[in-house]
Amino acid sequence: DGGITQSPKYLFRKEGQNVTLSCEQNLNHDAMYWYRQDPGQGLRLIYYSQIVNDFQKGDIAEGYSVSREKKESFPLTVTSAQKNPTAFYLCASRERGLIIGETEAFFGQGTRLTVV
Amino acid sequence: AQSVAQPEDQVNVAEGNPLTVKCTYSVSGNPYLFWYVQYPNRGLQFLLKYITGDNLVKGSYGFEAEFNKSQTSFHLKKPSALVSDSALYFCAGASQGGGKLIFGQGTELSVKP
Repeated sequence: DGGITQSPKYLFRKEGQNVTLSCEQNLNHDAMYWYRQDPGQGLRLIYYSQIVNDFQKGDIAEGYSVSREKKESFPLTVTSAQKNPTAFYLCASRERGLIIGETEAFFGQGTRLTVV
Repeated sequence: AQSVAQPEDQVNVAEGNPLTVKCTYSVSGNPYLFWYVQYPNRGLQFLLKYITGDNLVKGSYGFEAEFNKSQTSFHLKKPSALVSDSALYFCAGASQGGGKLIFGQGTELSVKP
């Protein structure tokens, strides 16, 4: 079954700890994205990557880090510098397309991170 | 800067009535526009997209959207709403040649029997 897998589904973190969220896709997509979802604020872009070993900051990158060592994997680390990390995190991927930007994104089922 | 706005936090419709969920965009150059639906605690599902061509785009589950360049809008529509259409709807935009995909704030659609 092709798709995007995010793990774990629920994650609890103590204040001051770093934590890494996993995102794996077997769709052979070039581009991958991380979004944060908070009630009433929609989806805000954290980081995105259009090719292996390259990534760009989104609108709310502070306190987060990513890597893209393999095409199928785009892990997100929430660092202790992130002031308010409790949120629902969504990973997405999409094909490059004939023209960059024209293809739809496919989403994982999300990881709910709670700071305790 | 690129942005997408959904001016209504919530839309309430009676079953069988037409529905409209509004979206406006600010994207440089030729915009690529998308609609997604989200059910509670799940990821987003793709409904439809506008790339080029006809301004009226048809998508999944009977939804359609109208692209209006002069009003920079991309409203989602359905002629007859179902209770099962109740969900959170997101509009998204990207620019031609750009990898960034930006989402609106989301609109909660509630369809009552």
